Amino acid sequence: AQKITQTQPGMFVQEKEAVTLDCTYDTSDPSYGLFWYKQPSSGEMIFLIYQGSYDQQNATEGRYSLNFQKARKSANLVISASQLGDSAMYFCAMAANQAGTALIFGKGTTLSVSS
Amino acid sequence: DAGVTQSPTHLIKTRGQHVTLRCSPISGHKSVSWYQQVLGQGPQFIFQYYEKEERGRGNFPDRFSARQFPNYSSELNVNALLLGDSALYLCASSWGTVLSTDTQYFGPGTRLTVL
Repeated sequence: AQKITQTQPGMFVQEKEAVTLDCTYDTSDPSYGLFWYKQPSSGEMIFLIYQGSYDQQNATEGRYSLNFQKARKSANLVISASQLGDSAMYFCAMAANQAGTALIFGKGTTLSVSS
Repeated sequence: DAGVTQSPTHLIKTRGQHVTLRCSPISGHKSVSWYQQVLGQGPQFIFQYYEKEERGRGNFPDRFSARQFPNYSSELNVNALLLGDSALYLCASSWGTVLSTDTQYFGPGTRLTVL
């Protein structure tokens, strides 16, 4: 069975600091993709970054990077130089080809950035 | 370019009623997926459609149904509403290629309240 685990219900960080949000996953499918989304209080799910299971390098998108450790089945999101606008809920999600379904989400981590 | 659009934004219904939610995908995208997000949880997969055919279905009762039209827009129908159907319903569109690499882009959601 496919599963995503996010163990941090809430994280607190000061502006301009870096923060790591944890995500572990479980799948027996060799071909899968890992996604991170941001959900502000407005509710819309905003795509941040993608990592494929066969990608050799960690994905980066601006201030977002993904620390992909395949052997440990972890895909942590690193946000550098946090901004007040980063305060939101963050979800890790996975899509696996053999599962035949769309995204499977974790329970999310609430990030609060203070000045 | 316009993103994913959903209507209505908010909806209040009573138990036993029927509801129809609508979604228009990003231009060029051929796949639409529906998710249910109850308060405090990650989204749960309901349906995925690609080229007007059902590609996948989550663990939801038969009261939930959906379809995709020739212009790739989609409707989600829920019959015999229960209090537990109160949630944010998210629509996502994607190119519809290989699941593990197919990034899904979400709309703003429809917030359904069942009284």
